[in-house]
Amino acid sequence: QVQLQESGPGLVKPSETLSLTCGVSGYSMTDGYYWGWIRQPPGKGPEWIGSVYHNGNTYYNPSLKGRVMISVDTSKNQFSLRLSSVTAADTAVYYCARHPHNEIRGVVKIYWFDPWGQGTLVTVSS
Amino acid sequence: EVVLTQSPGTLSLSPGEGATLSCRASQSVSDSYLAWYRQKPGQAPRLLIYGASTRATGIPDRFSGWGTGTDFTLTISRLEPEDFAVYYCQQYGSSPLTFGGGTKVEVK
Repeated sequence: QVQLQESGPGLVKPSETLSLTCGVSGYSMTDGYYWGWIRQPPGKGPEWIGSVYHNGNTYYNPSLKGRVMISVDTSKNQFSLRLSSVTAADTAVYYCARHPHNEIRGVVKIYWFDPWGQGTLVTVSS
Repeated sequence: EVVLTQSPGTLSLSPGEGATLSCRASQSVSDSYLAWYRQKPGQAPRLLIYGASTRATGIPDRFSGWGTGTDFTLTISRLEPEDFAVYYCQQYGSSPLTFGGGTKVEVK
């Protein structure tokens, strides 16, 4: 069965770049599905950050205003998140997840998230 | 973007009772592209329902979802101990994908 595991620093200084990696096991990323990042600030609902396909195609949440980049490394079966110019508002549990998609008349639709990794808390503080 | 408002914020119930959770969208969710998740404390959300009414693999039939347009409902027929958790709805009908603020189901 597919499993996802987030890894990366738990503490990032303000104005620096947050970098996380999601390792995928039990499933080859090249076999399909989009792969996404979601974050959840303490006590709040989740927020979609963005998603990537194995060919490098990406979709991002406009709310992150160009600070985010998601990349994929199929040789290592993993994908990564970089979020620049972080502030305290970026403190959250960061999750990676797999999600199905469909292409309708040339337009890609990405769907729900299943399964999720266990999540990793990233705190932005000096 | 589509804003999802979940109500009530907290539901206080006893094991064995039924629960009804609401998710209202700020605009129509195309094709009923709505999912529900359960999040236990300290864990990641787990998919329960997609397509507004289709149970995910391994989800028991005490969970049911329905709705269309802007109004969606998750019903739990008989609360088990593991069902006392926070529930989120998520729409994928339009980008960006968005989640609701959650409904907490707590033990009365």
